[in-house]
Amino acid sequence: KNQVEQSPQSLIILEGKNCTLQCNYTVSPFSNLRWYKQDTGRGPVSLTIMTFSENTKSNGRYTATLDADTKQSSLHITASQLSDSASYICVVSASGGSNYKLTFGKGTLLTVNP
Amino acid sequence: DAGVIQSPRHEVTEMGQEVTLRCKPISGHDYLFWYRQTMMRGLELLIYFNNNVPIDDSGMPEDRFSAKMPNASFSTLKIQPSEPRDSAVYFCASRTAPGQGFNEQFFGPGTRLTVL
Repeated sequence: KNQVEQSPQSLIILEGKNCTLQCNYTVSPFSNLRWYKQDTGRGPVSLTIMTFSENTKSNGRYTATLDADTKQSSLHITASQLSDSASYICVVSASGGSNYKLTFGKGTLLTVNP
Repeated sequence: DAGVIQSPRHEVTEMGQEVTLRCKPISGHDYLFWYRQTMMRGLELLIYFNNNVPIDDSGMPEDRFSAKMPNASFSTLKIQPSEPRDSAVYFCASRTAPGQGFNEQFFGPGTRLTVL
């Protein structure tokens, strides 16, 4: 069964600090992995998308890494800002006929305090 | 483009009542998805359409749930009768056909449903 596990469930950091969120998956065959940011009361918005051949991708202060061998990904946030407070969801897509289907993690709730 | 549009944004109803959620996908997108999000289970796919045709409704929890897409610019998710355990945030998402980029799904703002 395809699964995506995220850790930690929640995290509180001070503004300006860095943090790293983890994602482990068992989706097969793997197509791509995405990190979404979901602000309170809003729909998820894509931050990064990585395929099998990519092991790192950046989007401003967000850097995602992917290790396809160990089936792990991380999202690193640098110099956090109050606006980074949100839920971060790891989403993995399987290749083949079901590539429309995304397997979602339950998310990490990040709170950035002043 | 205004993105995916959902209405209402909030719905409070009493158990047993019919609830209809609405979605307007992004123009030109061939696929439309309905998701449900709860704290316990996260995001779950309920059903998806391709060119207005329902393709996979295996995620629809019960016969009380039904979804339609009468045309390319409108879809509804109906719950009849509603129950308190249906309380959740319901998202609609749309995307282009396979092969066009990474098949990115764009989510609407969601409808927060509370069934009393």
